[in-house]
Amino acid sequence: SQKIEQNSEALNIQEGKTATLTCNYTNYSPAYLQWYRQDPGRGPVFLLLIRENEKEKRKERLKVTFDTTLKQSLFHITASQPADSATYLCALADNTGKLIFGQGTTLQVKP
Amino acid sequence: EPEVTQTPSHQVTQMGQEVILRCVPISNHLYFYWYRQILGQKVEFLVSFYNNEISEKSEIFDDQFSVERPDGSNFTLKIRSTKLEDSAMYFCASSGGTGGGGANVLTFGAGSRLTVL
Repeated sequence: SQKIEQNSEALNIQEGKTATLTCNYTNYSPAYLQWYRQDPGRGPVFLLLIRENEKEKRKERLKVTFDTTLKQSLFHITASQPADSATYLCALADNTGKLIFGQGTTLQVKP
Repeated sequence: EPEVTQTPSHQVTQMGQEVILRCVPISNHLYFYWYRQILGQKVEFLVSFYNNEISEKSEIFDDQFSVERPDGSNFTLKIRSTKLEDSAMYFCASSGGTGGGGANVLTFGAGSRLTVL
């Protein structure tokens, strides 16, 4: 079955720097991959979706890449701000179509 | 912006009691889901629901769990006889479906925290 691996260690960076989070998956390449943000005690919030035929997708300060050869997606936040501090979840559809989530990586942006 | 609403936000119950968690999905969405998240762990799929029936359920979703869409707006998750290990945050989500290209973007509610004592 499909497995998603995200770095479970928290990522600490200084305000203004670029944060880069990694998502690796183990089996077949999905047709698309999604990134969500989750704040403590809240539900995940959709951020970006990238399709298998897209190498890169941008939305404001966010950028996502998708490498089906490496079976990896990278999520970048440029000019990071303390308000970007949250847990970021990678998600993709498994072989039955349901969305499954990675463990998430917690980002802490220090002022 | 349309949102998914969940009630209650927090419920404390005794082991063995029945619990019903309620959700009002986005009105024009067709697909409904329950996920749960045990503290410190990942968001796990429980069940999906479409056209008034379960589309898929996970191994977690055993006979103690049931879902219902009783009146065309609410979507409920019932746990018949709660166990200590049912303590978790339960998230309802809805989506408009797998539109162009098969993408299924979920809108989540804020969650219902269930504590079983």
